[in-house]
Amino acid sequence: GENVEQHPSTLSVQEGDSAVIKCTYSDSASNYFPWYKQELGKRPQLIIDIRSNVGEKKDQRIAVTLNKTAKHFSLHITETQPEDSAVYFCAASKERTDKLIFGTGTRLQVFP
Amino acid sequence: DAGITQSPRHKVTETGTPVTLRCHQTENHRYMYWYRQDPGHGLRLIHYSYGVKDTDKGEVSDGYSVSRSKTEDFLLTLESATSSQTSVYFCAISKGSSYNEQFFGPGTRLTVL
Repeated sequence: GENVEQHPSTLSVQEGDSAVIKCTYSDSASNYFPWYKQELGKRPQLIIDIRSNVGEKKDQRIAVTLNKTAKHFSLHITETQPEDSAVYFCAASKERTDKLIFGTGTRLQVFP
Repeated sequence: DAGITQSPRHKVTETGTPVTLRCHQTENHRYMYWYRQDPGHGLRLIHYSYGVKDTDKGEVSDGYSVSRSKTEDFLLTLESATSSQTSVYFCAISKGSSYNEQFFGPGTRLTVL
């Protein structure tokens, strides 16, 4: 079955710097890759996703890139702000299947 | 919040007692999921449902059962709670598009003493 590995487990950056979180997946048939942000005590929230027919997607300060050959995808946050501090989860899924497989999460801390 | 509620939001119980958690949605989505979240493990799928009375196991289903008698409600039952089931439980729904976009409920924090 699918396995998703996520690195790093913790990441500390200075406000204004960029942050990058990387995930690798094992099933080459996976074609949907969402990212979730979870603030302390809150539910995970979908912040961006990418499908296998594109290599990059941007939404303001966040972007996701996908390398299908290498089976990895990354979340990029530019101009980080203290409110970006949270745990971020990647996930992978195959089209028309029922399940998402999640990575183990990255705790991002942005220091003022 | 995709119209998802969970009850109770917090529960403390004792080992060996039965516990039922409820997930309720208001938007008539077909797919519903139960996850548990533990430090270092991320979100792990317990059970899921793809319709009324249609359920299947996830990766950590031992010790849990589910039922879905109505589209809007998905129940998770711990028949005899153990301390290892202390966790935060999240329900999620999928809107059933070609891609599995899932949206989460607010979570239930369960402590088994």
